[in-house]
Amino acid sequence: GAVVSQHPSWVICKSGTSVKIECRSLDFQATTMFWYRQFPKQSLMLMATSNEGSKATYEQGVEKDKFLINHASLTLSTLTVTSAHPEDSSFYICSARGGEGDTIYFGEGSWLTVV
Amino acid sequence: GQNIDQPTEMTATEGAIVQINCTYQTSGFNGLFWYQQHAGEAPTFLSYNVLDGLEEKGRFSSFLSRSKGYSYLLLKELQMKDSASYLCAVRDWQGQNFVFGPGTRLSVLP
Repeated sequence: GAVVSQHPSWVICKSGTSVKIECRSLDFQATTMFWYRQFPKQSLMLMATSNEGSKATYEQGVEKDKFLINHASLTLSTLTVTSAHPEDSSFYICSARGGEGDTIYFGEGSWLTVV
Repeated sequence: GQNIDQPTEMTATEGAIVQINCTYQTSGFNGLFWYQQHAGEAPTFLSYNVLDGLEEKGRFSSFLSRSKGYSYLLLKELQMKDSASYLCAVRDWQGQNFVFGPGTRLSVLP
């Protein structure tokens, strides 16, 4: 089946710094990638949708200057959390759309802790 | 508007069968997906229905009725490792958007 790799799995950073999370589709081309965050025992919350070569579309309430998304190629999207604060600590998940049936496949997720 | 409903929580016994329902009201329809998510992990793809009927994959089956806006995921011979959240997602008519349901947290008891 289609594979989406997300890196890093765990990251701890200091308040005020920036951290980048990568999402790669390993065996298919993903025209669209999605970024979510999820708090414990809560549903996925879509943050933004990114299409290769164009600007990401952010959901209402998500700060585009804080959560920078770059989708430079058909296999790579990155999420950069800028000037991180403790309240940004969360589980961030990417997904990529493509493969058989034009399905969404998820990356492994990244746990971000801001101290 | 877009709306997907699932029961919040369900409990079942090891070895039993459980059915998780999903109802949807979306702007068009172009496929329904089921995902499994264990605590602290990302969702994994389980099944995909675009036509009415039952799709079977081992212990898991998924059913779709487009006229009723209804799907269910059927899990047979439950195992402890099946304790997880199950997410229903609908792709809209133009295939541009996926809308996820809130998820159903299933607990399998010995």
